[in-house]
Amino acid sequence: EVQLVQSGAEVKKPGESLKISCKGSGYSFTSYWIGWVRQMPGKGLEWMGIIYPGDSDTRYSPSFQGQVTISADKSISTAYLQWSSLKASDTAMYYCARHGTLVGAGDYWGQGTLVTVSS
Amino acid sequence: QSALTQEASVSGTVGQKVTLSCTGNSNNIGSYAVGWYQQISHGAPKTVMFGNSLPSGIPDRFSGSKSGTTASLTISGLQPEDEADYYCSTWDYSLSAKVFGGGTKLTVL
Repeated sequence: EVQLVQSGAEVKKPGESLKISCKGSGYSFTSYWIGWVRQMPGKGLEWMGIIYPGDSDTRYSPSFQGQVTISADKSISTAYLQWSSLKASDTAMYYCARHGTLVGAGDYWGQGTLVTVSS
Repeated sequence: QSALTQEASVSGTVGQKVTLSCTGNSNNIGSYAVGWYQQISHGAPKTVMFGNSLPSGIPDRFSGSKSGTTASLTISGLQPEDEADYYCSTWDYSLSAKVFGGGTKLTVL
């Protein structure tokens, strides 16, 4: 069974760093892309970026380029989304999703990680 | 302002057929397959259609189509459990990024 399991909710202060994770199981982790999606409170879905764990090829949305870093550790089938300096506006739910191709739709989704940034 | 345009809200009665639309341009919908995602009560999204393919476990009352730069998701025989927000998404080659629609809130009356 394909599963994407994300790390738990986080509460951070502005300026702090953070790395959240998405662990894949039930399939060949290095053969599928993993994308990240943001959903701010009461808002729609926003695509952030995507990584191919097989060779670490990474693409970012222009809106998120330079704001976050996407990485993966194929030895433990885990993708990451990280911030070096959080802002209050990073408060949101973050989802990972598996994609068969770079341009294709996501087929399986993680359960989401709630990130709250507040002083 | 989303790159893809969806109706803000659509409603229908149980058993009715409803169609949700997603309009883009030649850089996105006109060139790539579209995915549709269902989100119930702000839970995790679930894929209900990618291209014209129905994912495993999704009822066959869901179907997808595309004409030019507009994609559609049709639900035939609407059920109470179909009440949700629905988002469309595809790749945009001018942005070299995926784009989402703003979402449609489907209400089952």
